Amino acid sequence: NAGVTQTPKFRVLKTGQSMTLLCAQDMNHEYMYWYRQDPGMGLRLIHYSVGEGTTAKGEVPDGYNVSRLKKQNFLLGLESAAPSQTSVYFCASSWTGEQYFGPGTRLTVT
Amino acid sequence: GQSLEQPSEVTAVEGAIVQINCTYQTSGFYGLSWYQQHDGGAPTFLSYNALDGLEETGRFSSFLSRSDSYGYLLLQELQMKDSASYFCAVREGLDSSYKLIFGSGTRLLVRP
Repeated sequence: NAGVTQTPKFRVLKTGQSMTLLCAQDMNHEYMYWYRQDPGMGLRLIHYSVGEGTTAKGEVPDGYNVSRLKKQNFLLGLESAAPSQTSVYFCASSWTGEQYFGPGTRLTVT
Repeated sequence: GQSLEQPSEVTAVEGAIVQINCTYQTSGFYGLSWYQQHDGGAPTFLSYNALDGLEETGRFSSFLSRSDSYGYLLLQELQMKDSASYFCAVREGLDSSYKLIFGSGTRLLVRP
C-alpha cells in the first residue's frame, strides 16, 4: 500500500502559468481534501470531495479548481499562478475521522 | 467566527511530561483531533476525542472538555523524536465530509 501519493514534489512557476497537482490514494477512501500550509501556520482547506464526481469549496478556494473523475484521484489546478499561492500543498484522504496525508508539494511562484 | 488557539512553542526536557492546550470557538463541534508533523514531513494522526474525558494511546493522551471548549494533548516520557509541531483540529459539522479546521500548531522542542 502506497497510501496517499502526490506529484510533483517540487515545482517553480512563473506568475500567470498554470499547473495541476495530482493526488492519488489506494485505500478506497471516499473523502479527499486539498490543503495549503504556509510557514508557521496550520492547514487551510482549499477544496474537498465526498466521493467520485463531487467537489466542494473549503476555506480558501479562490484561484484553485479541482476535479475528482476517479475515486482514487483528486486533482488541484491553478489556472493563473500568483506569488500568493507560494505554499506547501497537502492532499489527504479519509474514510471516517482520521485523515491520511500525502508527502506534500512545495510550490514556489515567482 | 471560528478559531482554535494553541501556544506557538513549548520546550521540555527529555523524559519529562508536557501538555499542549487547545481552546476552540467554532459554530459547531463534533470532535477534536490531534496531528503531529515533523519538519518537512506530512501531518500524521495521533488521537481523536468526540466525548469528554481522557483517551490514552501509549505515551500520548488526549483530553476533551466540551463545556469548556478545551482540550489538551499530553506527552509522557518525552523523547528527542517527539520534537515536532502538534496541531489540534475540530470537526465542525456533522455532514458527510469529515472536514476539519486546524489550529496554527504548537512547536515542541525536546532538549537533552
